Amino acid sequence: LAKTTQPISMDSYEGQEVNITCSHNNIATNDYITWYQQFPSQGPRFIIQGYKTKVTNEVASLFIPADRKSSTLSLPRVSLSDTAVYYCLVGDGLEYGNKLVFGAGTILRVKS
Amino acid sequence: EAGVTQFPSHSVIEKGQTVTLRCDPISGHDNLYWYRRVMGKEIKFLLHFVKESKQDESGMPNNRFLAERTGGTYSTLKVQPAELEDSGVYFCASSQEWRPNTGELFFGEGSRLTVL
Repeated sequence: LAKTTQPISMDSYEGQEVNITCSHNNIATNDYITWYQQFPSQGPRFIIQGYKTKVTNEVASLFIPADRKSSTLSLPRVSLSDTAVYYCLVGDGLEYGNKLVFGAGTILRVKS
Repeated sequence: EAGVTQFPSHSVIEKGQTVTLRCDPISGHDNLYWYRRVMGKEIKFLLHFVKESKQDESGMPNNRFLAERTGGTYSTLKVQPAELEDSGVYFCASSQEWRPNTGELFFGEGSRLTVL
C-alpha cells in the first residue's frame, strides 16, 4: 500500500479556498486516491475519490496530475464547520474488500 | 436511511475485565470493517467481514480480540481480558457488496474504550 504524506496542519479563514496537497510517490497503477474528513468524536466521512485528472462533487474538487504522484483536495469557500482532520488515502481499488490505510491526516482550522 | 450505529459510545472498564462492542451496519451492506485508533496513533484496520465470513483479520492485534458477525447482520468485537493498551476509539464501517472498491466506507461514530 502506498504511503502518503500531507501537511500536519493548515489554517484558513472563512470564505477562502483551501488546498491540501498529498504526496504519494509510490502509487501503483491500480491505486485510487480517496479523501476522508473527520470531525471530533465522529467517524471518518468520505469526501471524494479519483484516479486521474480532476474530479468534482458538491463538496470538493480533487486534482490529480498526470504522474499521479500527488493530489490536491480543494475546498471552495470554507466555513467554520469545515474545521476537521482531512485524510488522504491511496489503495488498490480493484481488490475485493478494500481496506483503508489512514495516515496522520491534516488538521484544518478555519477561523472567522 | 439509518447510518452505521455503534454501542456503547463510551465504555470504562478495569484491566482484566471483558468488554463487547457492537456495530449495526447500514442495511444491505455486506462488507463490515472494524478499525481502531489508540491514543496518539493513527486509525488502523482490524478486520473485514463479508456477510458472516471473515475476509481479512490481519489487523487483529492478538487473540484477546474476538470479532463475530452472526447471520451477516450486526457485528460484535469482544476484548477479553482487556489491557491498558487497548484503550482507544473503535470504529465500525460498512460498504455495499456490489461496489466494494469505490473507497467509500460509511463509518459509525465510534466506541470509546477506556481501560483503567
